[in-house]
Amino acid sequence: KNEVEQSPQNLTAQEGEFITINCSYSVGISALHWLQQHPGGGIVSLFMLSSGKKKHGRLIATINIQEKHSSLHITASHPRDSAVYICAVEINNDMRFGAGTRLTVKP
Amino acid sequence: NAGVTQTPKFQVLKTGQSMTLQCAQDMNHNSMYWYRQDPGMGLRLIYYSASEGTTDKGEVPNGYNVSRLNKREFSLRLESAAPSQTSVYFCASNIAGNYGYTFGSGTRLTVV
Repeated sequence: KNEVEQSPQNLTAQEGEFITINCSYSVGISALHWLQQHPGGGIVSLFMLSSGKKKHGRLIATINIQEKHSSLHITASHPRDSAVYICAVEINNDMRFGAGTRLTVKP
Repeated sequence: NAGVTQTPKFQVLKTGQSMTLQCAQDMNHNSMYWYRQDPGMGLRLIYYSASEGTTDKGEVPNGYNVSRLNKREFSLRLESAAPSQTSVYFCASNIAGNYGYTFGSGTRLTVV
């Protein structure tokens, strides 16, 4: 069983919808990351969290350490948000990655 | 532009051939990493280097070697490529502590 589980695997939304992507992990971590992988393959770091909530523009990331769960929210989604969103957890000097959530936002 | 530069972007190898993937960062980051990404799976750590002069195995090190040539450069070598090493390889770097990672643009390697 993967240490990091993301849901859903695939998500299709209409432009303007509120999006939630979930990440659950099974081990103790020092931090959690949300990454965005563009259709061209490049990976961009969106958030690094060890507690609470962070917001950047239309993106919001939350983490509940006790429940070992994190969510990534996108408000007012747009077709340019279409990408694969990856959750990753830091364990000592290692990072373990979820398989990603493929988001498609239709105009 | 500041960031992580990987070369080459694409490569096709025959089984048994060797090659080195190059990675360089100009952000003065201490730590550097090599990952592979396979369809339907998360990125998996091959090797990492926490600082210049040190390297450690990750989750899937077999068939690979690395060199941390200096603070900027961290190379990944395949001594005898196998079809199972067909993958997309990403180099990344960060400063230890509460900072995010910066990824290279990836190398798509096919071994036939």
